[in-house]
Amino acid sequence: EVQLVQSGAEVKKPGESLKISCQGSEYRFTSYWIAWVRQMPGKGLECVGLIFPADSDTIYSPSFQGQVTVSVDKSTSTAYLQWSSLKASDTAMYYCARRMEGAFDVWGQGTRVTVSS
Amino acid sequence: QSVLTQPPSASGTPGQRVTISCSGSNSNIGTNTVNWYQKVPGTAPKLLIHSNNQRPSGVPDRFSGSKSDTSASLAISGLQSEDEADYYCAALDDSLNGLVLFGGGTKLTVL
Repeated sequence: EVQLVQSGAEVKKPGESLKISCQGSEYRFTSYWIAWVRQMPGKGLECVGLIFPADSDTIYSPSFQGQVTVSVDKSTSTAYLQWSSLKASDTAMYYCARRMEGAFDVWGQGTRVTVSS
Repeated sequence: QSVLTQPPSASGTPGQRVTISCSGSNSNIGTNTVNWYQKVPGTAPKLLIHSNNQRPSGVPDRFSGSKSDTSASLAISGLQSEDEADYYCAALDDSLNGLVLFGGGTKLTVL
């Protein structure tokens, strides 16, 4: 079964750094874009950015450019989303998803990030 | 504010047919296919419709999608209580280097 498994929930303080992960299995990880999608409490879905694992080509939403970094480790079929200095406004659920022919067909279970002093 | 515009809410009674609209522009819906996702609180989003009107395996044929020019619609017939969820349209946007845009979401209530 094709799966994306995300790392567990995180509780951090403002200013701290964080890197969350998304590991793919049972498919050719390098052949499909991986997206990161944010859902803030009570709000809708927003695409943070995407990465193509084969060559690490990335696309960032203008709203997130410079605020986060998307990366990948092909050797472990894992994509990452990281922050160097978290803000309270980064508190949200973050999902990774595989893009196949334009649609996000497989989703991770989500990683809840809470940033609070 | 989302570039893809959806009504914030919709409702219907069991057995009814409801439609949810999604309005965009030439750079997104006008030139790219539309996908629809179902989001139940506490669970990950689920792909409901891809390529404007195609259902992935396992999605009931009660769900259908259509697209015309810069707008798209999701229709749910034979409404069931389990359909109560948030629904999102999405499309690539050529003006944003291929970034995927989501609509603001529509909360469907089954009365």
